[in-house]
Amino acid sequence: AQSVTQLDSQVPVFEEAPVELRCNYSSSVSVYLFWYVQYPNQGLQLLLKYLSGSTLVKGINGFEAEFNKSQTSFHLRKPSVHISDTAEYFCAVRGRLTGGGNKLTFGTGTQLKVEL
Amino acid sequence: GAGVSQSPSNKVTEKGKDVELRCDPISGHTALYWYRQRLGQGLEFLIYFQGNSAPDKSGLPSDRFSAERTGESVSTLTIQRTQQEDSAVYLCASSSTGQVGEQYFGPGTRLTVT
Repeated sequence: AQSVTQLDSQVPVFEEAPVELRCNYSSSVSVYLFWYVQYPNQGLQLLLKYLSGSTLVKGINGFEAEFNKSQTSFHLRKPSVHISDTAEYFCAVRGRLTGGGNKLTFGTGTQLKVEL
Repeated sequence: GAGVSQSPSNKVTEKGKDVELRCDPISGHTALYWYRQRLGQGLEFLIYFQGNSAPDKSGLPSDRFSAERTGESVSTLTIQRTQQEDSAVYLCASSSTGQVGEQYFGPGTRLTVT
């Protein structure tokens, strides 16, 4: 079984400032890692994913995340945020050896609020 | 192409009534998931359908909750004898076996139990 911890429920930041949203996971097996974003009144959409290879992955809208196996972390970063980045961000994990399908375990989410 | 659709978008019901929520996945997606999102909380997994396999019902909170899926198409989530704590946004997602971890979400059904 896996679990995901997003310690920051809310992160306020000024426009054009950098931001980091933290995600830590726990798993007894190797995992795939994901970040999803939920804009106001919309469904979730995939932002980026780590499957294998380079531990630094780049996603849409200028976001990137780095997989750190020793620290069991997958923090999300953006060097300069925009007002339109205001949304809820969810970290998710899936065991590599899951019997089938794509059942994910989600964190509780981090609300990013970008201010002028 | 069309994304995942859900209906109704909003549902207000009285405590004790039954409700039925519908999800139309993306055509060709073999997997379908239901989640519950309570106000200010994360996604709570409810149930998962994968092709013709028996569904994973491990997340259903009580026997008042049930779900069905017709083949690889429409799914309905039924909540019997609704309680106020059932108030939440119910999200449906679908995925194909070829894309690891990528789930496509619908806009959700906001359920309010009065």
